[in-house]
Amino acid sequence: QVQLQESGPGLVKPSETLSLTCTVSGYSISGGYYWGWIRQPPGKGLEWIGNIFDSGTTYYNPSLKSRVTISVATSKKQFSLKLSSVTAADTAVYYCARVLGAFSACDIWGQGTMVTVSS
Amino acid sequence: QSVLTQPPSASGTPGQRVTISCSGSSSNIGSKTVHWYQQFPGTAPKLLIYSNNQRPSGVPDRFSGSKSGTSASLAISGLQSEDEAVYYCAAWDDSLNGLVFGGGTKLTVL
Repeated sequence: QVQLQESGPGLVKPSETLSLTCTVSGYSISGGYYWGWIRQPPGKGLEWIGNIFDSGTTYYNPSLKSRVTISVATSKKQFSLKLSSVTAADTAVYYCARVLGAFSACDIWGQGTMVTVSS
Repeated sequence: QSVLTQPPSASGTPGQRVTISCSGSSSNIGSKTVHWYQQFPGTAPKLLIYSNNQRPSGVPDRFSGSKSGTSASLAISGLQSEDEAVYYCAAWDDSLNGLVFGGGTKLTVL
């Protein structure tokens, strides 16, 4: 059974860098799928952040691209998200997910982790 | 303002068939496949339909998806109280070079 689990600080100060990790269990992170991050501000809809393949190929949301870095550590069965220069607008539940293809659907999701940007 | 347009709300009675629309453009729905997600309060979204009309294993066949031109629809037949949730459509957008979501439709079972 494939499972994804997000981890990282729940509180980040403005202008600092948000860092989250997604740990994959029950499936090889090198198994041919993409892996992605999606976020959801409180009471609002879903926003795609970006996808990564095990080779390191990435696709980022153009509106976040200048601040986002997604990386993969296959030996650790993890992939990570870094979002720099955060503001209150980055407060959201952050989800990691398995993606069926570079431009495709997310079929397995983590439970999500709430990140609040506040001083 | 979302790139994909969904009605904010929809409703139906148990047993009824309801449809939720998702309107886009030639750079997304018109040329790419559409996916649908179901989300209950406080939980992660669940993939309901991918590639316009494909159901992942375990999704009841009461849920179906279709696409025509630059619009897509999610149909739920035999509506049940447990279908009350928020539904999102999504598709890749070639102009924006990114995945875009609809704003979500809150389905109420009366």
